[in-house]
Amino acid sequence: EAQVTQNPRYLITVTGKKLTVTCSQNMNHEYMSWYRQDPGLGLRQIYYSMNVEVTDKGDVPEGYKVSRKEKRNFPLILESPSPNQTSLYFCASSQTGTGYNEQFFGPGTRLTVL
Amino acid sequence: GQQVMQIPQYQHVQEGEDFTTYCNSSTTLSNIQWYKQRPGGHPVFLIQLVKSGEVKKQKRLTFQFGEAKKNSSLHITATQTTDVGTYFCAGPNNQGGKLIFGQGTELSVKP
Repeated sequence: EAQVTQNPRYLITVTGKKLTVTCSQNMNHEYMSWYRQDPGLGLRQIYYSMNVEVTDKGDVPEGYKVSRKEKRNFPLILESPSPNQTSLYFCASSQTGTGYNEQFFGPGTRLTVL
Repeated sequence: GQQVMQIPQYQHVQEGEDFTTYCNSSTTLSNIQWYKQRPGGHPVFLIQLVKSGEVKKQKRLTFQFGEAKKNSSLHITATQTTDVGTYFCAGPNNQGGKLIFGQGTELSVKP
């Protein structure tokens, strides 16, 4: 089954404790992206990757890191999480990054930083 | 920077009433996509519009792309409880690589 998976689905952590949210897709998609969703603000892009070893900042990249060593994986790293990073996070992938392909979203990761 | 605005933010309707959400971009878009997110779920692609003035239908849903390719709308005829969720529009930014989402319209339907 074609899908985007994320882990963990829920996470409660404390300020400053490094964490990684994994994202994997099995559709051989070139493009992958991370979004955060906050009430009233819609989906805001954190980072995206056009292909392996090619990443770029989205609209809200501060406090986050990403890497794209393999085509299927695109982990999101929070080196020193802070309470303002409490949010619902979605990973997404699409065939290309042209903007003409539908994006497939993962199930989401609800992160709480205390 | 490039912005995609969506209104209204919330809409509460009685089952059977119609519903419309509007999407406006600060710049001309090459295409626009619509997604639906059910409560507790993730966004799911509904449709893409590419041509100026394009109208597409999916059962009770009608999607329209403006002549100037700067606005779009989604109209649902005779809403049902299964239509509940948040509807997002999204358009690519000018440089490519980024899909800019509107803030979404949350639809609730009272039986």
